[in-house]
Amino acid sequence: GAGVSQSPSNKVTEKGKDVELRCDPISGHTALYWYRQSLGQGLEFLIYFQGNSAPDKSGLPSDRFSAERTGGSVSTLTIQRTQQEDSAVYLCASSLAGNAGYTFGSGTRLTVV
Amino acid sequence: QKEVEQDPGPLSVPEGAIVSLNCTYSNSAFQYFMWYRQYSRKGPELLMYTYSSGNKEDGRFTAQVDKSSKYISLFIRDSQPSDSATYLCAMSGSGNTPLVFGKGTRLSVIA
Repeated sequence: GAGVSQSPSNKVTEKGKDVELRCDPISGHTALYWYRQSLGQGLEFLIYFQGNSAPDKSGLPSDRFSAERTGGSVSTLTIQRTQQEDSAVYLCASSLAGNAGYTFGSGTRLTVV
Repeated sequence: QKEVEQDPGPLSVPEGAIVSLNCTYSNSAFQYFMWYRQYSRKGPELLMYTYSSGNKEDGRFTAQVDKSSKYISLFIRDSQPSDSATYLCAMSGSGNTPLVFGKGTRLSVIA
């Protein structure tokens, strides 16, 4: 596609439920990133995929968070046993190379009630 | 001390004014510097990209990097109401490290 596509755009879930967030990067982009943006906060890095290399998971806040990237394209971010503090906008970005500018999707707004 | 510091504002200016946005950082290994613009309920979009020190100009926008002071700036000339958005600085040390973002400065340009 022309841009980075994220789904769903909005998600309301009950505390304790699991959620899956999807990201379709730009075709041909080898690098894919997940960030989290909370109200009044900057973008917090979560995880980074580069080609076939092992992902950089250093930003994941707890073991309730995981992500995978299938076939070097689509990525899914999974949050298990959601907590209220997980409420945020989850942004996905892709780039041609690690130090090129990122193209972001519009994000998934997650609300845990 | 956070790696990247950015005044969150809000900053309000009249149309036509020159806007100056700034970030400071602590990691001397940073060498890739970017500015992103984010409209409400949208993802950030890349505005300016600079490698190492120096200036870069693109239309009404000028990015400056001073590595000796660990200070970067974005100038917007002849500001327009359509420039009203949140501006985020971002930087990284190498191609294999993810960008570190500032918290963003919220700008309003009043017609």
